[in-house]
Amino acid sequence: AQKVTQAQTEISVVEKEDVTLDCVYETRDTTYYLFWYKQPPSGELVFLIRRNSFDEQNEISGRYSWNFQKSTSSFNFTITASQVVDSAVYFCALRPNYGGSQGNLIFGKGTKLSVKP
Amino acid sequence: AAGVIQSPRHLIKEKRETATLKCYPIPRHDTVYWYQQGPGQDPQFLISFYEKMQSDKGSIPDRFSAQQFSDYHSELNMSSLELGDSALYFCASSFGVAGGYEQYFGPGTRLTVT
Repeated sequence: AQKVTQAQTEISVVEKEDVTLDCVYETRDTTYYLFWYKQPPSGELVFLIRRNSFDEQNEISGRYSWNFQKSTSSFNFTITASQVVDSAVYFCALRPNYGGSQGNLIFGKGTKLSVKP
Repeated sequence: AAGVIQSPRHLIKEKRETATLKCYPIPRHDTVYWYQQGPGQDPQFLISFYEKMQSDKGSIPDRFSAQQFSDYHSELNMSSLELGDSALYFCASSFGVAGGYEQYFGPGTRLTVT
């Protein structure tokens, strides 16, 4: 079964705190792709990062960083020095790559992050 | 940079009416995906098209149909609308169909069925 679990439904932090959003996935595929999307209150889905299953190197982009660990099937997302503009729902998504099929995205339930001033 | 365009942005329909949502992918993108996001829910995959052919099908009701045209834009047709069809409908596009290509999402069409 293909599944993404985001156990944290809601997180509330104060500005400048660091926060980590957890993502655990399940897949039988050896090749797959993981994504994070941000959905601000305005509703659009903003692409943040893609990681393929062969690349376990962690990535940092400004205040954002991602920790991919195949051993624990996790792809966690950390925001350093959070800001009010980071308030949004964050979705982790899995895209299998079975046999070259046009795999759709399988989303987790999302984590609602509220950053208070 | 050009983004995915969806129209209309908001749509209000009554039960049993029909609705057509349109999606214009990013130029040179050949794959279009449709997702439905109910209130407080995660997006659920409905259907996708690659080079004008249906490539994958998810939890799309039989009352819904979709197609991709020669200019790569796509339309989602919804008939016999029900209250439960009220949702945010996203279109996404990508270049190529391999799993590694990012799907870029449009702003969504918010459908309200009354």
